[in-house]
Amino acid sequence: DVKVTQSSRYLVKRTGEKVFLECVQDMDHENMFWYRQDPGLGLRLIYFSYDVKMKEKGDIPEGYSVSREKKERFSLILESASTNQTSMYLCASSFSGRRAGELFFGEGSRLTVL
Amino acid sequence: SQQGEEDPQALSIQEGENATMNCSYKTSINNLQWYRQNSGRGLVHLILIRSNEREKHSGRLRVTLDTSKKSSSLLITASRAADTASYFCATDGGYQKVTFGIGTKLQVIP
Repeated sequence: DVKVTQSSRYLVKRTGEKVFLECVQDMDHENMFWYRQDPGLGLRLIYFSYDVKMKEKGDIPEGYSVSREKKERFSLILESASTNQTSMYLCASSFSGRRAGELFFGEGSRLTVL
Repeated sequence: SQQGEEDPQALSIQEGENATMNCSYKTSINNLQWYRQNSGRGLVHLILIRSNEREKHSGRLRVTLDTSKKSSSLLITASRAADTASYFCATDGGYQKVTFGIGTKLQVIP
């Protein structure tokens, strides 16, 4: 079974702290994604990556950066956390090209910024 | 901006009834997918329909796609209490970017 693992299920951070959210997939997928999910707003795409060291902005990249140094790992970085970044963060991965389609999701990381 | 918008945002039905959820999107797509999310968990893929397909079935699920109206529907037949979840449509408009809608919260009452 494909597994997408997010490093922390729950985090509590203080305003101004630097936050790292890690995501690892074991299916050799080319594509990896970070979404945030908020009540009434659904899932919104923050960043995605289609290859190692490649990244593309999603719909709400402000206040976030990402890193993909290895194919299996995609990190989301909050340089200086703010209270409006309190949310559920979901990582996903998928094949690209002719095998593109289904996204496989991790269980989510619920971040609270105080 | 989000590509898909589901309708209704919430739906409550009795066990055994059918549940229909709709999704509208804005730009051309390569494919459209439906996902399910149990409370507090990640999303699970249900079905994918490509832009050149009009209808697809998987078990109790039936998905239709009308590219001229930029809309899709998900039908769950003979619903069960275990179908209680949120359902999302997702569109792939190319360039690997997959965007989701706001979701429909389905409650199936035993």
